[in-house]
Amino acid sequence: DAGVIQSPRHEVTEMGQEVTLRCKPISGHDYLFWYRQTMMRGLELLIYFNNNVPIDDSGMPEDRFSAKMPNASFSTLKIQPSEPRDSAVYFCASSEYRVAYNEQFFGPGTRLTVL
Amino acid sequence: DAKTTQPPSMDCAEGRAANLPCNHSTISGNEYVYWYRQIHSQGPQYIIHGLKNNETNEMASLIITEDRKSSTLILPHATLRDTAVYYCIVRDGYGQNFVFGPGTRLSVLP
Repeated sequence: DAGVIQSPRHEVTEMGQEVTLRCKPISGHDYLFWYRQTMMRGLELLIYFNNNVPIDDSGMPEDRFSAKMPNASFSTLKIQPSEPRDSAVYFCASSEYRVAYNEQFFGPGTRLTVL
Repeated sequence: DAKTTQPPSMDCAEGRAANLPCNHSTISGNEYVYWYRQIHSQGPQYIIHGLKNNETNEMASLIITEDRKSSTLILPHATLRDTAVYYCIVRDGYGQNFVFGPGTRLSVLP
């Protein structure tokens, strides 16, 4: 398996534009996670899905952020409109459900810069 | 909120053992200790986890004190490629999400 795939790897956009980040989880994994990492706040969980259903979106910063998982092999994180403070590295991770042992596999991340 | 306390940074000489401590004094009976690491610019990588007993795998060893209030991750022969931020996380067996604290930045020096 190629691991978790994220695209694009780098995105530079201007304030006010819509940004869409994409993630393909590892085949067979039933959990998908979106994280954001900044120097100031570290690594934060934004939202996670189980079997394509959002379970916890309490980490989503505001209504400008939305995430979808239309099927088991694809998820998007959308920011509309984007702001400079959204600049960060966004990671997607996936895992297979097991009680007590949960190894999340992270993608390479998307580095977002909002000018 | 993170339930663990780690030193912000540590140095280790290449080839020596790296011992990374973690305090989790409020850990409850059904909570596991997990360790992840993040090498610069990459996504975090799972290392090891444990409940009560000491654990060892191909990457590291995990030593958990008898009262479970602290643990130590041991990299037996650190290499330059082990330079990374190491995260100690406490989580129950049924939860699926992790809360990452600031971690320990380990620098392996030649």
